[in-house]
Amino acid sequence: NAGVMQNPRHLVRRRGQEARLRCSPMKGHSHVYWYRQLPEEGLKFMVYLQKENIIDESGMPKERFSAEFPKEGPSILRIQQVVRGDSAAYFCASSPGWTGQYTEAFFGQGTRLTVV
Amino acid sequence: DQQVKQNSPSLSVQEGRISILNCDYTNSMFDYFLWYKKYPAEGPTFLISISSIKDKNEDGRFTVFLNKSAKHLSLHIVPSQPGDSAVYFCAASVTGTASKLTFGTGTRLQVTL
Repeated sequence: NAGVMQNPRHLVRRRGQEARLRCSPMKGHSHVYWYRQLPEEGLKFMVYLQKENIIDESGMPKERFSAEFPKEGPSILRIQQVVRGDSAAYFCASSPGWTGQYTEAFFGQGTRLTVV
Repeated sequence: DQQVKQNSPSLSVQEGRISILNCDYTNSMFDYFLWYKKYPAEGPTFLISISSIKDKNEDGRFTVFLNKSAKHLSLHIVPSQPGDSAVYFCAASVTGTASKLTFGTGTRLQVTL
């Protein structure tokens, strides 16, 4: 039973390029969350998606960042025109969704984005 | 605005002794609390959780205590083992928001021989 799969594990981009981070949730999970961890900080919520729907994007920067979770395929976090401040670890988590009581989210190993 | 705070960035404990990690929160809406453990270059791993209707939850060597009036929770690990050395994150959520979590900044635990 594969866990949450993120790729690539490491991504280097020059300033101004685009970064695409992929996340395949655990089998049977229909909810995906993206978090960002800056150096020496905790994880910060970015966006919560279900298949083909963005449920909560309150943590997403207003510009350059977008996320999708299509009907088929992985969830994608896309960062356009990257800047040095985007360098961070990006974690994806998945859960089966709201069942009437809390269900914990399982995290992937993260993608470490370095902008040079 | 840091709604979940872990004021000790690091903690060193001898093997076999008790490790106590602390966490404070400010948002009264939080009603579910979790502890995650994280090794370098890996994602957080769920450890233990507690609902606001309880004040204690135990799972093996790990116990979480919740003091709602003080908006404080703590994680006790006893006995501590070298493999427990990692960064521990406290996280909180509001019922109905699924797994949208607010994390603290983490405490690095080092268990020494």
